[in-house]
Parts: sequence; C-alpha cells; structure tokens
Amino acid sequence: AQSVTQPDIHITVSEGASLELRCNYSYGATPYLFWYVQSPGQGLQLLLKYFSGDTLVQGIKGFEAEFKRSQSSFNLRKPSVHWSDAAEYFCAALMFSGGYNKLIFGAGTRLAVHP
Amino acid sequence: EADIYQTPRYLVIGTGKKITLECSQTMGHDKMYWYQQDPGMELHLIHYSYGVNSTEKGDLSSESTVSRIRTEHFPLTLESARPSHTSQYLCASSGLKIQETQYFGPGTRLLVL
Repeated sequence: AQSVTQPDIHITVSEGASLELRCNYSYGATPYLFWYVQSPGQGLQLLLKYFSGDTLVQGIKGFEAEFKRSQSSFNLRKPSVHWSDAAEYFCAALMFSGGYNKLIFGAGTRLAVHP
Repeated sequence: EADIYQTPRYLVIGTGKKITLECSQTMGHDKMYWYQQDPGMELHLIHYSYGVNSTEKGDLSSESTVSRIRTEHFPLTLESARPSHTSQYLCASSGLKIQETQYFGPGTRLLVL
C-alpha cells in the first residue's frame, strides 16, 4: 500500500543540538517528496521538496533533507536547532493512486526544544 | 501579497446547524483542496478541484460539500453539523502541473457541541 511513515511521534532536543527527523515511503516508484512544518494553530509551511537530481536538498530556516532511494527515505536534518523550531513536522509524498495524483502525509513528528 | 485565507479561524457551533467554511486564494492557482486533520494525526484529503465547476471527493469520506464558482474561492459546507465533524479543516491550493507545491491556509478549527 502507498504510505508515508514517520517513525518518531515525538522528539525532544536541546537548543543548539543537531536534529534528524525520519521519513520513509512505500511506493512503486520515486515520488515527489516534501517536508512541511506546522506551528500551533497555523497551517502548513513548506520547508523543502525533492523532485529529482541532487539527493541533498536545502530548504528554508536552515533545514536540509537527503533522499536515499535504497532506503526509501527522505530524512530532514538541521545542524543546530533553535527554540523557534519547536513545531510539528510532516513528511509528504505525491503519489498516483485512485486515478489521480495526491499528496499523502505522514502522521507527523512533534518537536520540542529544551533551552 | 499572494496568499491563501480561511475564515473563520475558530468556530464553536451546536449540533444540527449549517456551516460554511470559507477559503480564498490570491495565488492565481487553478487547483484547490480541503483536508481534514484531527489532533496529532496526518492530513486526509476530503475534496479537491481542478478549476471552476470542477469538484471531486478525496480519500476520506466526508458529509461536507464544496463548490467552485470562482477560481479564487472554494467554500466547504456542512448542512447539519454533528460532534463527529469536530476537527481542523485546512484549505490548500496549487498550480495544475503535477509537481506544483501545495500552499496551505491557516486552517479552521471546528468544535461541534
């Protein structure tokens, strides 16, 4: 079945520490891949996206993600986390299913940042 | 400034009432979407539209209906709200090409008593 999995429901890091959020997908081909961030009470903001080419993509707010075809993964990273990064992060993949292309979301990872 | 707007942001309403959630975008996008998001859960597509007079149902079965009379406007209506409709509703828009990014509004948080 086509799906996006975010194994970590909740992650806590200290401010200044590095961060990696995991994302795996299940699909018969390479989908278009996205990471969104959602602050409390807000909509989703696009952090970065991968369509093809260089497997390391840079996004806004100092985030980057690496696509690994062999692992069907698209993990999000940041070298030094700021308190303002506390939010919920969603990985999503554009897949063809049911007759149309649709964006399938993971369940999200909630990030808490300790001072 | 190009953006996507949703009103109201928060709505508390009694069972049986008719409600309409508004979504407008000034992005110039043809495609628009409605997602439902329960707390701590992923987003589920409930409706989408390719353009004026085009509406389709998404993956998640919903008792809501939508209309697309104008390109920039994509309202969602519940004829008779029930407590099971309590959720957050997110509107999004994108261009027509497959790889176009979806941009999201701030959401409407609905509570049906």
